[in-house]
Amino acid sequence: AQRVTQPEKLLSVFKGAPVELKCNYSYSGSPELFWYVQYSRQRLQLLLRHISRESIKGFTADLNKGETSFHLKKPFAQEEDSAMYYCALSGMDSNYQLIWGAGTKLIIKP
Amino acid sequence: GAGVSQSPSNKVTEKGKDVELRCDPISGHTALYWYRQSLGQGLEFLIYFQGNSAPDKSGLPSDRFSAERTGGSVSTLTIQRTQQEDSAVYLCASSLGGMNLYEQYFGPGTRLTVT
Repeated sequence: AQRVTQPEKLLSVFKGAPVELKCNYSYSGSPELFWYVQYSRQRLQLLLRHISRESIKGFTADLNKGETSFHLKKPFAQEEDSAMYYCALSGMDSNYQLIWGAGTKLIIKP
Repeated sequence: GAGVSQSPSNKVTEKGKDVELRCDPISGHTALYWYRQSLGQGLEFLIYFQGNSAPDKSGLPSDRFSAERTGGSVSTLTIQRTQQEDSAVYLCASSLGGMNLYEQYFGPGTRLTVT
């Protein structure tokens, strides 16, 4: 079955500390992985996708096919990173529709 | 330019009534998606339009749910005989094309409460 799991509903770290938001997936083929972010009172928006291999706002995510993970990382958290983060995948088996994780609320403490 | 807009922003309705939710995608975006977001849950895919046709309706939870898109633009999601479990935020997104080749741009959502 196709599934995206974000094991942490809430993650709280201090400003300047490293952040890792976990995402594991279950998929039989070769999925495309995404991270979307929703800041307070703003719309859901794309943060990054693995195929582009970009670093956005200091965040990176590496697709690990062996561990079926796509964890989101940032070495030094900023207060403005506080938001809801969603991991999602798509692929042929899902008719290329996005399958979403339940999301992780990230709180950066001053 | 203008982003994806949705109306109403909030809707409270009585159980058993019908509701219509509207989505105005970004001009020129051929693909349009409807999602549902329940409290504490991720986004649940409902339906996808490419132009005016819906090649994937697999996410509609029951036959009480239907959607249409006209003129390759505005889309309406209709829920008939609403139930309390229909309460959720309904999100619309659009993109330049389908198959996730392009980024999806989301609207602000419609919060539906069924009493």
